[in-house]
Amino acid sequence: AQRVTQPEKLLSVFKGAPVELKCNYSYSGSPELFWYVQYSRQRLQLLLRHISRESIKGFTADLNKGETSFHLKKPFAQEEDSAMYYCALSVATDKLIFGTGTRLQVFP
Amino acid sequence: DAGVIQSPRHEVTEMGQEVTLRCKPISGHNSLFWYRQTMMRGLELLIYFNNNVPIDDSGMPEDRFSAKMPNASFSTLKIQPSEPRDSAVYFCASNSLAGLDTQYFGPGTRLTVL
Repeated sequence: AQRVTQPEKLLSVFKGAPVELKCNYSYSGSPELFWYVQYSRQRLQLLLRHISRESIKGFTADLNKGETSFHLKKPFAQEEDSAMYYCALSVATDKLIFGTGTRLQVFP
Repeated sequence: DAGVIQSPRHEVTEMGQEVTLRCKPISGHNSLFWYRQTMMRGLELLIYFNNNVPIDDSGMPEDRFSAKMPNASFSTLKIQPSEPRDSAVYFCASNSLAGLDTQYFGPGTRLTVL
């Protein structure tokens, strides 16, 4: 079965603390994974994709096929990182399956 | 470019009424997606179209839901009759077939069924 699991609905940290938003997937094919973010009063938008191996706004995510994970990490959280984060798995040319999302709260 | 446009932004209706949500994708995009967002289930894909043709409607919850894309610049999602459990935020998104899966989302329609 194709599935994306984000075990935490809410993650609260203080500014400057490290952040790790967990994402696990289940997929029999070669996975392509993404992180989307929704800031308050803004549209859901792409944050990063694993294939690009990029760091966006200080966030990185490494695909671990052995653990079927694609955790999103940032060494020092900022208040402006507070948002809803969705992990997504591409299962067809256009089709994405999203996790249930994790709300990140960064306190000053 | 205004991006993906959705209307209305908010809809409050009574149980049993018909609800129609509208979406205008980004010009030139070939694929259009309808999602439903709830606290419990997160973001669920309801249906998507390629070149105006429905490709996968396996996420449509039941026959009360229907979606159409009569042309490349317009799509509707209809719920008839609506029920309180349909209350959610409905998103429309689009991308180009060459978009490497980057989907561009609209602002969403917040639907409340009383």
